[in-house]
Amino acid sequence: DQQVKQNSPSLSVQEGRISILNCDYTNSMFDYFLWYKKYPAEGPTFLISISSIKDKNEDGRFTVFLNKSAKHLSLHIVPSQPGDSAVYFCAASAIGNQFYFGTGTSLTVIP
Amino acid sequence: DAGVIQSPRHEVTEMGQEVTLRCKPISGHNSLFWYRQTMMRGLELLIYFNNNVPIDDSGMPEDRFSAKMPNASFSTLKIQPSEPRDSAVYFCASGPGFGSDTQYFGPGTRLTVL
Repeated sequence: DQQVKQNSPSLSVQEGRISILNCDYTNSMFDYFLWYKKYPAEGPTFLISISSIKDKNEDGRFTVFLNKSAKHLSLHIVPSQPGDSAVYFCAASAIGNQFYFGTGTSLTVIP
Repeated sequence: DAGVIQSPRHEVTEMGQEVTLRCKPISGHNSLFWYRQTMMRGLELLIYFNNNVPIDDSGMPEDRFSAKMPNASFSTLKIQPSEPRDSAVYFCASGPGFGSDTQYFGPGTRLTVL
């Protein structure tokens, strides 16, 4: 059973527009959340994280929002660029424990 | 730093053969993780080590899978005998400490079992 779910396998966005990637989790013990980005033939690389004491974390064009009551987080990319085209994985953990990853969302930014 | 190193990058084998995947974590990292990526389940954790000791291997799918970490700079994931359903990309990741806030992934090994 997937404790972290990414229900959209793919997303296409025009360059310059906002990309919104969504992630849901089921375990209320999760208190740390991450987004990883993966290019073809490469391993995932860490993008941005958020702890449960916050509801927003921003890093340049990337912002992660956390809604604990809904057990939902989202990644916003503004403005989207063609180089952002990749697979994005959401992950969650309870401190000191393993990460649980979602199935990934493939983002395509159209020039 | 060279990052996490995995070998081979690609492996094609026939059903029933033994497969060994190798990983060299980032120097100084105490935690090592083996993941399998499939379309259906995304990144699944198979096993992880802390200070060379296996902590949780509940993700290992069957007895055909085994993993070792004989020292801080080397780990193997072995499948014996391999089956077509084992075809996937296998990633190794390392982290600075147990429960660290991020993990650093290797490039992965794409395994195809015919």
